[in-house]
Amino acid sequence: GAGVSQSPSNKVTEKGKDVELRCDPISGHTALYWYRQSLGQGLEFLIYFQGNSAPDKSGLPSDRFSAERTGGSVSTLTIQRTQQEDSAVYLCASSQSEAGETQYFGPGTRLLVL
Amino acid sequence: DQQVKQNSPSLSVQEGRISILNCDYTNSMFDYFLWYKKYPAEGPTFLISISSIKDKNEDGRFTVFLNKSAKHLSLHIVPSQPGDSAVYFCAASFFTGNQFYFGTGTSLTVIP
Repeated sequence: GAGVSQSPSNKVTEKGKDVELRCDPISGHTALYWYRQSLGQGLEFLIYFQGNSAPDKSGLPSDRFSAERTGGSVSTLTIQRTQQEDSAVYLCASSQSEAGETQYFGPGTRLLVL
Repeated sequence: DQQVKQNSPSLSVQEGRISILNCDYTNSMFDYFLWYKKYPAEGPTFLISISSIKDKNEDGRFTVFLNKSAKHLSLHIVPSQPGDSAVYFCAASFFTGNQFYFGTGTSLTVIP
């Protein structure tokens, strides 16, 4: 069946511009996560959506980062006024229900801020 | 502060031999651990997990060992195959939590 998909696969932008990254989770998965992997770093948790509950935004690095999940399915991660340190691979994952379930990852969006 | 550490960024092993990937963690409250495998240009895929009530979990060629007193886990792959060449991430979480803490990964190369 279809896995987690993310778009775009690559994004190059200029410093100061806004970017939107999209994630389509596996159908029926209620939990959705955003992570970031910077060069030489481990995967960094950003935000977690579970069903209709308020998202856990504790991992967002600054108020320039925000995310939405519409209709309990597709999610968009928005980065405003991008900075060079935002350059990373942004990974989305979904899991079937409760936290602690194994997560299925998308291929990631490679963001480069010039 | 990195709560999960993989101190070997890379590892090379001959085909047919055992690959041992190591992971250390600092938070003794972690009670669920996972290994992910990642090929270039793809997202990580789940490989194997272990909960803190066990000290070993085996799935085919892959075995994960957990040493809670040492806060250490390891992934054994035997026999190693060239297709196992990838980056391996370990991750830890609280079983009822919603965050996974990842190591920085170990790049495994299996030499034919």
